[in-house]
Amino acid sequence: DTAVSQTPKYLVTQMGNDKSIKCEQNLGHDTMYWYKQDSKKFLKIMFSYNNKELIINETVPNRFSPKSPDKAHLNLHINSLELGDSAVYFCASSQTDSSYGYTFGSGTRLTVV
Amino acid sequence: SQQGEEDPQALSIQEGENATMNCSYKTSINNLQWYRQNSGRGLVHLILIRSNEREKHSGRLRVTLDTSKKSSSLLITASRAADTASYFCATVPQGSGNTGKLIFGQGTTLQVKP
Repeated sequence: DTAVSQTPKYLVTQMGNDKSIKCEQNLGHDTMYWYKQDSKKFLKIMFSYNNKELIINETVPNRFSPKSPDKAHLNLHINSLELGDSAVYFCASSQTDSSYGYTFGSGTRLTVV
Repeated sequence: SQQGEEDPQALSIQEGENATMNCSYKTSINNLQWYRQNSGRGLVHLILIRSNEREKHSGRLRVTLDTSKKSSSLLITASRAADTASYFCATVPQGSGNTGKLIFGQGTTLQVKP
C-alpha cells in the first residue's frame, strides 16, 4: 500500500525519558513534515525536510531533534520528555510545494506521565 | 500566529442536509486546502483551491474562495453519517516559497445524525 506510516501508534512514558517516533513514506515525495496536534485539535508544524535537508524549524525546543536518513524517512527523537509534550504527533509528506496536498500518517499519541 | 479560523466550531445536522463550514485567514496565500480527520485518525486531503480560482467542485464537495475577504467555505451536500468528522482548512502562505508549509485552522467538528 502506498502510504505514510509512522510507529508506534501509542507511546506512554515517564517524564525525563527519551523516545523516538519513526516515519516512512513510499509515495516518492520530496518533502516530509512533523506536526503536533494538541488536545484542542490545533495542528502546528514543527519541522519540514526536503530531500534530507531541514527547511522549517518552527521554534521547537531543542529537546526535539528530527533526523532524515533519506528522503523516504523522517524520524523524531525527543529528549527529557515533559508533561507538556503529551499530544498526537503526525508525520506527513508532499511534493515539494504541497500543491497536491499532504498525505498524513495515522499519528502517534504520546502520553507523558 | 495561527493563520486560519473556522466557523462554526461545531455543527450538528441530519442526514441528507447540507453542511457549510467557513474559514478565514490573515495573510495572502498561494492556495487553500481542506482536510477531513475522522476520530483517532490522520488527516485526509479533500480538495485544493488556488488563489486565482473562485470555486471548485469534487463530488459532493464545493469549495469557494474569496481572496478579497480572505475567506473560504466548504459545502458538503446531501450529508451522510459517514461524513461525521472534523474538517480543517489549511493555507500555503504567499512567499513561503517551496517550503510546502501548511498552516491549519482549528477545525469544525461535524456530526451528521442518521
